[in-house]
Formats: sequence, C-alpha cells, structure tokens
Amino acid sequence: SQTIHQWPATLVQPVGSPLSLECTVEGTSNPNLYWYRQAAGRGLQLLFYSVGIGQISSEVPQNLSASRPQDRQFILSSKKLLLSDSGFYLCASIDGIHYGYTFGSGTRLTVV
Amino acid sequence: QKEVEQDPGPLSVPEGAIVSLNCTYSNSAFQYFMWYRQYSRKGPELLMYTYSSGNKEDGRFTAQVDKSSKYISLFIRDSQPSDSATYLCAMTPAGYSTLTFGKGTMLLVSP
Repeated sequence: SQTIHQWPATLVQPVGSPLSLECTVEGTSNPNLYWYRQAAGRGLQLLFYSVGIGQISSEVPQNLSASRPQDRQFILSSKKLLLSDSGFYLCASIDGIHYGYTFGSGTRLTVV
Repeated sequence: QKEVEQDPGPLSVPEGAIVSLNCTYSNSAFQYFMWYRQYSRKGPELLMYTYSSGNKEDGRFTAQVDKSSKYISLFIRDSQPSDSATYLCAMTPAGYSTLTFGKGTMLLVSP
C-alpha cells in the first residue's frame, strides 16, 4: 500500500512571505498526485493535479503554484502569501486498487 | 445544483445508536463511490468503497449505492465515541479520474 508524507504539519507565515510545502509518496510509481485545500465549512478544494513529472494542471486561478520535479515528489509553492491562503493543505495520490485517494496527514497553514 | 450534496451536520447521537449518513449527486456518470473518515486536524482516510449500485458491508459499516436515485448512504451500527469525526462522500466516473467530494458531515457520538 502507498504512504503519503507531508511536511511540515503546521506552519505560521507572515503575509507576503514565500511558501514551499512538500509531499512525497512511497509504495507506488508514476502516481496521479493532487493538492487540496480544506477550509472550514467549504469542503475540499482541488488546487492542482499531476499525472507525471513536469505535468501540472491547475484547477483554480490563485496565488499558488505546483511542481513535480520527481515521480513521487509534489511541491506546492507561493512567492507571496495572502491571508486568504490560510487553510489545511492535503496531498493525495490515487490508489490503483479502488481508485480512491490516499491522503497525507496535511499541513495547517496560518497566514498572519 | 451542486454535483454532490451532503448535509454538514453536526449529527449528534448517543453511543450505540445506528447512524445514517447520506449524499446525493447529479452526475449520472459516477460509477465509483467512496466514504472517507476525517478526524480533527488529520487527513481523510478511506473507510468504504463500492462500484456501481448495491451494498457493501465491513464490520459495523455498510455502504449503499442507489444509482437510480443518485443517492448513497453510509450506515454505522453500534456507534462508538471513537466514530466521532467528519465523514466525506466521494465519487468518480472512472478509475484514475479526479474525485468529486461532498463537503462532509460532522458526527458526534456521546458516551
């Protein structure tokens, strides 16, 4: 079975500062990878997904970007954080057995 | 109309009660259906998954899919305080496609 590693678990950043969240996957190769943001009362919002190295699809125009430099590495970045970027960020990978996602443990980002 | 509708709750029940959680959807192309459980400040974990219509049972949990009504349910028997969490439904039309999630129902089971 696959495992998603995400770090850091919590992060407090000032407005205007840069951001880099990393996600790595174990136990699978060439996975479809996803970045979601979860805000209270708003459910899971798909931000980016990737079907392979260097292939990124953006679902929402925003202050964030994503990159996939290696097969099992997915990075979420921002050059300048906004207050509205606060939220719980989740990385996920598709499980080829049941086609659902395996999620990481998430990063709680607070922009102050 | 949203693609997936799910009552946000919270749903409060006493320990031992039978819990029914539901989602409705509008896209008739959905074929794969899942339920995730999410504890506070944790990532969601897959609880149940089913393909097309029918029932699936796993211990105290039963997932039902009624594609004719575009309605899915998760039943929890003999609910426990440890079942207190947010439950999200999810669905997709095909394997390796992006999941569409409900917003989640918060369940509180009191001892």
